[in-house]
Amino acid sequence: ETGVTQSPTHLIKTRGQQVTLRCSSQSGHNTVSWYQQALGQGPQFIFQYYREEENGRGNFPPRFSGLQFPNYSSELNVNALELDDSALYLCASSQAGEIGNEQFFGPGTRLTVL
Amino acid sequence: LAKTTQPISMDSYEGQEVNITCSHNNIATNDYITWYQQFPSQGPRFIIQGYKTKVTNEVASLFIPADRKSSTLSLPRVSLSDTAVYYCLVAVPSGATNKLIFGTGTLLAVQP
Repeated sequence: ETGVTQSPTHLIKTRGQQVTLRCSSQSGHNTVSWYQQALGQGPQFIFQYYREEENGRGNFPPRFSGLQFPNYSSELNVNALELDDSALYLCASSQAGEIGNEQFFGPGTRLTVL
Repeated sequence: LAKTTQPISMDSYEGQEVNITCSHNNIATNDYITWYQQFPSQGPRFIIQGYKTKVTNEVASLFIPADRKSSTLSLPRVSLSDTAVYYCLVAVPSGATNKLIFGTGTLLAVQP
């Protein structure tokens, strides 16, 4: 059974640029959630996708957008990067059901915005 | 406004039982309360999940009162390797859907 994988591991961007982060869900899972975790803080829910549709969204501006593909992998896109976007971005997959179903997290992508 | 709060830190010794409480108001009535463990530079790892009353698995117990405004994670006989940050995760209503909110996190330090 393959776990959740994310790419890239680390990324450095400059303010104003755009970034795309990728996530492959665990085998058998059709739901993907994305979180932002700033240093020393808890994860903040960005959004969740279920069968290619957004299934819930946290308090993030529209420049944070996502996609889920037919194979249930997912992308997180962030436009017009700001310094405060520097964080660990976590992807988690789960099976269908309630939004809070048990989630399996990937190792994260560390984004640094200069 | 939904708030999910936990003690910032707790200290314990090996072999003791540790109870960590999370206070959460206005959570979704139809969704789980879940607890996760996180080590530095890793993603959170699932510990336990429940709707109400008491749930027990091989590593922990979860106590949820009838009003679901709090939950308590119980770790029996902790060891040094249980030193980590522990988060509750709840769903709160947000328009037509729910959104997920992690608690503020509790750093558990286990000493020999």
